[in-house]
Amino acid sequence: QSVLTQPPSVSGAPGQRVTISCTGSSSNIGAGYDVHWYQQLPGTAPKLLIYGNSNRPSGVPDRFSGSKSGTSASLAITGLQAEDEADYYCQSYDSSLSASVFGGGTKLTVL
Amino acid sequence: QVQLVESGGGLVKPGGSLRLSCAASGFTFSDYYMSWIRQAPGKGLEWVSYISSSGSTIYYADSVKGRFTISRDNAKNSLYLQMNSLRAEDTAVYYCARGAVARLDYWGQGTLVTVSS
Repeated sequence: QSVLTQPPSVSGAPGQRVTISCTGSSSNIGAGYDVHWYQQLPGTAPKLLIYGNSNRPSGVPDRFSGSKSGTSASLAITGLQAEDEADYYCQSYDSSLSASVFGGGTKLTVL
Repeated sequence: QVQLVESGGGLVKPGGSLRLSCAASGFTFSDYYMSWIRQAPGKGLEWVSYISSSGSTIYYADSVKGRFTISRDNAKNSLYLQMNSLRAEDTAVYYCARGAVARLDYWGQGTLVTVSS
C-alpha cells in the first residue's frame, strides 16, 4: 500500500467537475510538507501539473487546481475535457521514511 | 528548453547488470538534485533513487538498496543508474527527473528495462 492514498478511479462527463483526493498522515501531508500532482497521459511520461499544493506551472490550464487541508490534499478539474483522461499521482515528503513518496495513482475516465 | 534523455534499457537475465544514463540539457545540471523513478507495467510510480547536486547526498528505496548505485557527472551533464543483481520485479520503465525531495518539474521519456530469462 502507498503511504499516500488515492482513489483508484474517478469519472465524469465532459464539462463536469471532478476531484481526486490524496490522503496522508502526520508524517507527510499533515506535517506541512508540500503536495505535488502529476498527470500521465496514456503511453507518455508523467508531467508536473500542480506544485506546492496549489501552484500551476506555466502552460497548465486554470481548469486544474490544487488544495491542501490537514492530512489531505485534493486536485480539482473543472470543465472536464476528453484530453484530461489520464492517470494522476500525488507526491509529498514523508519524515518517518526520510523519502519522497507517491500516491498509488488515480485513473480519470471522461465518459 | 529542458531536455532529459534516458538510454541504456533493454532485456537482461535475472542476476544480470545494466547501466542507465540520462543526458540533460537546457539547464545548469550541476545546480539540481536528480532522481530516478520507475513504473512497472500497469503499475504506479516508485521512487528508486535521488542524488544531490554535488553528489554528496544520496537516497535509495529499500527495494534497490545494495543493488543499485546512482551517480552523476556534472561535467558531462549526465546522470547514471548502475543496476546489479537484477530481479524480475525490477522490470519497469525507468524515468530520470529533475528534482528530488521537492517537485519533479521535468521528466525524460523513459527507458524500458526487462528482466527475464
